[in-house]
Amino acid sequence: DQQVKQNSPSLSVQEGRISILNCDYTNSMFDYFLWYKKYPAEGPTFLISISSIKDKNEDGRFTVFLNKSAKHLSLHIVPSQPGDSAVYFCAARGSSNTGKLIFGQGTTLQVKP
Amino acid sequence: DAMVIQNPRYQVTQFGKPVTLSCSQTLNHNVMYWYQQKSSQAPKLLFHYYDKDFNNEADTPDNFQSRRPNTSFCFLDIRSPGLGDAAMYLCATSSGLAGALAGELFFGEGSRLTVL
Repeated sequence: DQQVKQNSPSLSVQEGRISILNCDYTNSMFDYFLWYKKYPAEGPTFLISISSIKDKNEDGRFTVFLNKSAKHLSLHIVPSQPGDSAVYFCAARGSSNTGKLIFGQGTTLQVKP
Repeated sequence: DAMVIQNPRYQVTQFGKPVTLSCSQTLNHNVMYWYQQKSSQAPKLLFHYYDKDFNNEADTPDNFQSRRPNTSFCFLDIRSPGLGDAAMYLCATSSGLAGALAGELFFGEGSRLTVL
């Protein structure tokens, strides 16, 4: 039973346009959501997060939106750059104090010049 | 400079031959995690240490063991690797309360295990 799902394995976007990566979850007890970015041959790196008490968090070109009623979050990248090409993982944290995260399968984003 | 270092980056072993993967960190984080990621799948938590307190996930096979001799090091031992254990193994750390509240993990580059 996968609690965090990224249903689009891949996404291709033209440079300068918006990239929207989606993530759905099933557990209403999740209280914190994160996005990680992974380049080939590297470990995932933290990108942006959002608490369940908010519906939007913005950091430069990256914005995460949370819709708790739909159990859905999305990552918007505007404008997209070729260097954004990577695998993006959505992750969720349960209400515990150990930072344990549950990950989605990842979406491979390709930004074409 | 790398803060979470995994060795080896690539490990080839034979079916049933024990293997040990290592992870070291310079962040002085008190929580360390081992994740298994198979191709095109989500990273899956195997277990984690909160200081010396070991926490095993319910569905982690007995074939997988871990050791944490000190704050800086954590090892993943696979006692009898099977073909299904071929995967990328990711070590991650977080800082106790602050890191846990933020949910942020710091990952190493991973160790890719091939089982022949």
